[in-house]
Amino acid sequence: SQELEQSPQSLIVQEGKNLTINCTSSKTLYGLYWYKQKYGEGLIFLMMLQKGGEEKSHEKITAKLDEKKQQSSLHITASQPSHAGTYLCGADRGSGSARQLTFGSGTQLTVLP
Amino acid sequence: DGGITQSPKYLFRKEGQNVTLSCEQNLNHDAMYWYRQDPGQGLRLIYYSQIVNDFQKGDIAEGYSVSREKKESFPLTVTSAQKNPTAFYLCASSSGGNTIYFGEGSWLTVV
Repeated sequence: SQELEQSPQSLIVQEGKNLTINCTSSKTLYGLYWYKQKYGEGLIFLMMLQKGGEEKSHEKITAKLDEKKQQSSLHITASQPSHAGTYLCGADRGSGSARQLTFGSGTQLTVLP
Repeated sequence: DGGITQSPKYLFRKEGQNVTLSCEQNLNHDAMYWYRQDPGQGLRLIYYSQIVNDFQKGDIAEGYSVSREKKESFPLTVTSAQKNPTAFYLCASSSGGNTIYFGEGSWLTVV
């Protein structure tokens, strides 16, 4: 079965600093999702990457998928307290029309004002 | 508003009881999913359904049951056979190969 390793497990940064979260897969990724979650709430979709070398940005968040499609990174520029939460990567298992995702254990981000 | 509605938000179960979590979506999505999340961990797939009247077991289906009688509804029953049901449950839906959207989740606690 596919496993996803996220690093770091937790991160504390000062407001305004840049940061990067990594997601590494034991197998080739067919599709890689990034979500944000506040404690006790649902997942908010951030971005989906499918092609090797693909990069997507939304506001101050950029996600990349490496050429070999086994590692993805999420980069936040000039972090703000609103960026705080847990970031989860999810890998598409690539079979059927249903998107069965395997998730990493998450990276908990704290942004200090 | 379009989206996925889960209810109740908080649910308490006594030992030996079955409980049902509701999930309704008005996004006209074909596929629906149930995930379980334990503290400090990622999500694990319980069941999923690609079309009405069809559903498949995920990675941790034991002790759970589902039905998909209507496109917009995918209720999850946590049976007494589930030995450790205390967790946060998330319902999701998607259409084709597109993005998976999640509901707000339901907390289940065994008392």
